[in-house]
Amino acid sequence: EAQVTQNPRYLITVTGKKLTVTCSQNMNHEYMSWYRQDPGLGLRQIYYSMNVEVTDKGDVPEGYKVSRKEKRNFPLILESPSPNQTSLYFCASSVTGGETQYFGPGTRLLVL
Amino acid sequence: AQSVSQHNHHVILSEAASLELGCNYSYGGTVNLFWYVQYPGQHLQLLLKYFSGDPLVKGIKGFEAEFIKSKFSFNLRKPSVQWSDTAEYFCIGGATNKLIFGTGTLLAVQP
Repeated sequence: EAQVTQNPRYLITVTGKKLTVTCSQNMNHEYMSWYRQDPGLGLRQIYYSMNVEVTDKGDVPEGYKVSRKEKRNFPLILESPSPNQTSLYFCASSVTGGETQYFGPGTRLLVL
Repeated sequence: AQSVSQHNHHVILSEAASLELGCNYSYGGTVNLFWYVQYPGQHLQLLLKYFSGDPLVKGIKGFEAEFIKSKFSFNLRKPSVQWSDTAEYFCIGGATNKLIFGTGTLLAVQP
């Protein structure tokens, strides 16, 4: 089954404690991206990757890092989380950036 | 600047009422347009999309949208909503190698 998976689905952490949210897709898509969803602000892109070893900043990259060492995986790293990063995070993949996106189930993060 | 605007932030309808959610885009070049739906607690799912061709696009669950180039619009419609259509709806534009998101419309359907 074609899908995008994210782990963990729910995470509570404390300020400053590094964390990684994994994202994996099994559709051989070249384009992957991360979004955060906040009430009243819709979805905003954090980072995207057009292919292996190619990543670029989206609209709200501050406080986040990503890597794309393999085509199927695109982890999101918060080196020093802060409470303003409390949000719902979605990973997505597609053949190219402007085409149909397949979204993961979401990761709800609470930073205390 | 590239943008996608959704005019209605909250819509409340009774079952069987007709639905139209507005969406306008503001960017040139290749125009791919999507409507996604997010049911409570779930991820975004594709309702329908327009890349080219027939400007009237039919999607899943009885939804349709019409691309009107002269108005830069891509409004979503459904003739008769059901309680199960309660969700958040996102209009999304696809430009070269990026997506442009509308802020979403929260639809509540009262039984």
